[in-house]
Amino acid sequence: GAGVSQSPSNKVTEKGKDVELRCDPISGHTALYWYRQSLGQGLEFLIYFQGNSAPDKSGLPSDRFSAERTGGSVSTLTIQRTQQEDSAVYLCASRPASGRNQPQHFGDGTRLSIL
Amino acid sequence: QQQVKQSPQSLIVQKGGISIINCAYENTAFDYFPWYQQFPGKGPALLIAIRPDVSEKKEGRFTISFNKSAKQFSLHIMDSQPGDSATYFCAASKGDYKLSFGAGTTVTVRA
Repeated sequence: GAGVSQSPSNKVTEKGKDVELRCDPISGHTALYWYRQSLGQGLEFLIYFQGNSAPDKSGLPSDRFSAERTGGSVSTLTIQRTQQEDSAVYLCASRPASGRNQPQHFGDGTRLSIL
Repeated sequence: QQQVKQSPQSLIVQKGGISIINCAYENTAFDYFPWYQQFPGKGPALLIAIRPDVSEKKEGRFTISFNKSAKQFSLHIMDSQPGDSATYFCAASKGDYKLSFGAGTTVTVRA
C-alpha cells in the first residue's frame, strides 16, 4: 500500500518568502506528526495532530510556523518569512489510532533550503 | 534539552562484525523505545522496538537490550553487512505521544 507522501521533495526559496509543505498520511491513520531534521542532527518534534483533538503545537520554534490538517487527512506546514536557520528536512509521520505503541511511519521529507 | 542521548556519533565495522549503539534517557515516563534506520535521502524506517517490561528483543540480526534501572538501551547489529550502512536513531515516547530522538549514529560497514 501507499506510504506517507510529502511534497515537494525539495524546495529552494529566498529568505523572507513563505513556504507550504504538504503531507498525505497513510489512509486511515488518524495521528499525524511533523518533525524537523537539521543537517547531521536527530529529529526535532514540531506538531502533533490526533483525530479531532486540538493539535499539540508545543514543538513549533516560533510563531512563523503553523500547521493545519484538513478533513483529518492531508496536512500543510507553513513557514512565514523564512530565515536561513529554517533550512532543514521536514519530515511527516502518521500512525494508526488503535493499538498500543503503534509505530510512526515516516515520509521521505521535504528538503528546504533558504538562500 | 535532549531527552535521549545516543553514542557513538559514528562507527566503522568490518563485514561480519558486531555494531553496538547505546542510548540513555532521563524521563522515567517513557514506555516505548523504537530504533529507526535511515538511508540518505529517505525518511526513517522502523527497525525494531521494545517496551520496558522486556529486557531483550531480537529480530533477525538486530537485538535491543534494555536496562530499566540504568535507563539505558542499546542496539546490537550482528553479522554486519554493507547494506546495513546507514544512520540509526534511537527514540523514546510516552504512550503514542511524540517521539524524542537521539542524535543518530552513522554506521559504515566495510566489505
